[in-house]
Amino acid sequence: DAGITQSPRHKVTETGTPVTLRCHQTENHRYMYWYRQDPGHGLRLIHYSYGVKDTDKGEVSDGYSVSRSKTEDFLLTLESATSSQTSVYFCAIRSQGEGTLLFGPGTRLTVL
Amino acid sequence: AQKITQTQPGMFVQEKEAVTLDCTYDTSDPSYGLFWYKQPSSGEMIFLIYQGSYDQQNATEGRYSLNFQKARKSANLVISASQLGDSAMYFCAMNRDDKIIFGKGTRLHILP
Repeated sequence: DAGITQSPRHKVTETGTPVTLRCHQTENHRYMYWYRQDPGHGLRLIHYSYGVKDTDKGEVSDGYSVSRSKTEDFLLTLESATSSQTSVYFCAIRSQGEGTLLFGPGTRLTVL
Repeated sequence: AQKITQTQPGMFVQEKEAVTLDCTYDTSDPSYGLFWYKQPSSGEMIFLIYQGSYDQQNATEGRYSLNFQKARKSANLVISASQLGDSAMYFCAMNRDDKIIFGKGTRLHILP
């Protein structure tokens, strides 16, 4: 069983529609992160969570919201998707100690 | 604000040669961690190596070593005896407290 999964893996949607991406972990880690990856920009932090119901903004949080109602799930919502949100979205969990990130497989989102 | 800079968008290196990927960072916090990740063409993010700001010695993991120069705020990744399988995107990252931010990456091409 993979320690971290993302769903869906691919999604095509239309401008103006709401979209929710799910990140699920089986490692019981406290910290979870959402990043987006775009050519020429590397990975940019959207939001992160440091516990159930505890979240904070990252570098590019506008247009995104998150929720964490239980330790294992971290949801990323685009309330009204725009074409600029077409990207690959990675979820990550942070280990204890050094704080190494373990990444999910990514979700490729296309907004038409 | 903290910042990570990778100045080499792309590099071409002959197989078996050593490679140095540059990374500079900017932070005013005395406590931080530095990471390198590899992203092959398949898209997954793979952790390579970690260096803590208080670590006295440079980190090493197999063929990977981190050349940590604290006064210069640089954390270059050195890959010894490069292999074709090392062709990938490489990202430098830094954590300070809860946030982990990434540079824009360097695409490494190993030539046979």
